[in-house]
Amino acid sequence: DGGITQSPKYLFRKEGQNVTLSCEQNLNHDAMYWYRQDPGQGLRLIYYSQIVNDFQKGDIAEGYSVSREKKESFPLTVTSAQKNPTAFYLCASSDDRVTYEQYFGPGTRLTVT
Amino acid sequence: LAKTTQPISMDSYEGQEVNITCSHNNIATNDYITWYQQFPSQGPRFIIQGYKTKVTNEVASLFIPADRKSSTLSLPRVSLSDTAVYYCLVGRSGGYNKLIFGAGTRLAVHP
Repeated sequence: DGGITQSPKYLFRKEGQNVTLSCEQNLNHDAMYWYRQDPGQGLRLIYYSQIVNDFQKGDIAEGYSVSREKKESFPLTVTSAQKNPTAFYLCASSDDRVTYEQYFGPGTRLTVT
Repeated sequence: LAKTTQPISMDSYEGQEVNITCSHNNIATNDYITWYQQFPSQGPRFIIQGYKTKVTNEVASLFIPADRKSSTLSLPRVSLSDTAVYYCLVGRSGGYNKLIFGAGTRLAVHP
């Protein structure tokens, strides 16, 4: 089955630690995205990548970093510089020509204490 | 980027038709209208997309008037499993398309 996987589903970290969230897709999509969702809110774009080895900042990139070394993978690192890292993180991908139709993973709920 | 406005919440009962209207007064000529559905603790799911007039698929219908300043998502005969948040978005296709997810409309379907 084609789709997007994110792991783990729940993640707990101590304040001051960096943490990397995994995102893998086998849909052969060029474009990939990372969003953050806070309770009762919509999604906010953190980073996006249209092609391997290239990525752009979204609206709330501060305190986050990404890499895109392979087409299938787009890991997100939440650094200690992110002031409020506790949130629900969603990864998505899309065909580069049909970017309004994004396919989302199941999400990772990160709790930092 | 065209901003969208939709009701914060709606209530319905099983078997009824639900219509959720979205306002997008500043929609651009090359913008499409897209709707997503999100269940709690899951990623959003694409439901339907349209440019003008009416689009129908196995899940929903999308009605877009000629001026395209609004759109209506129609869910026929809803069931309890349609309880979710529904997002209306507008944006171009191709290249990088920044989707802006507002707070959406929380639909509660009651028995």
